[in-house]
Amino acid sequence: EAQVTQNPRYLITVTGKKLTVTCSQNMNHEYMSWYRQDPGLGLRQIYYSMNVEVTDKGDVPEGYKVSRKEKRNFPLILESPSPNQTSLYFCASSLSTVYEQYFGPGTRLTVT
Amino acid sequence: KQEVTQIPAALSVPEGENLVLNCSFTDSAIYNLQWFRQDPGKGLTSLLLIQSSQREQTSGRLNASLDKSSGRSTLYIAASQPGDSATYLCAVGVSWGKFQFGAGTQVVVTP
Repeated sequence: EAQVTQNPRYLITVTGKKLTVTCSQNMNHEYMSWYRQDPGLGLRQIYYSMNVEVTDKGDVPEGYKVSRKEKRNFPLILESPSPNQTSLYFCASSLSTVYEQYFGPGTRLTVT
Repeated sequence: KQEVTQIPAALSVPEGENLVLNCSFTDSAIYNLQWFRQDPGKGLTSLLLIQSSQREQTSGRLNASLDKSSGRSTLYIAASQPGDSATYLCAVGVSWGKFQFGAGTQVVVTP
């Protein structure tokens, strides 16, 4: 089944404890992206990747890192999480940027 | 900076009525526009993608139009059903790889 998977689905952590949210797709998509969704603010793009080793900032990259060493994986790294990074995070992928995006199920992160 | 607006924020219609959802954007230089639905606690499901060179796309009961000159896209859902209850989001491709989302329209279809 073609899909985008994210792990973990739920995470509660404390301020400053490094964490990684994984994203994997099995559709051989070149484009992948991370978004966060907050009430009243909608979805905002964090980082995106056009292909392996090619990443770029979205609208809200501060406090996040990404890497794209393999085509199928695009992990999101929070090196020192803070409470304002409490949010619902979505990973998405598409064949390329002009094709429709497919979204993962989301990761709900709480930073205390 | 591109701003994407969806009005109204919420909408309630009786079953069988046609739904009309709006998405407005401030800069007409877009790459594409995609409509999604989001069910509570779930991810986003793609409905329709319109490229900047297209005027409309259709899939079953869904039809989406795009008018770049007026900065507007409209999603029509014919003969609404209770299963159409969800939040509908539009996303505008603002540059190569970058997307801006609207805040969404929450739709309730009452039996």
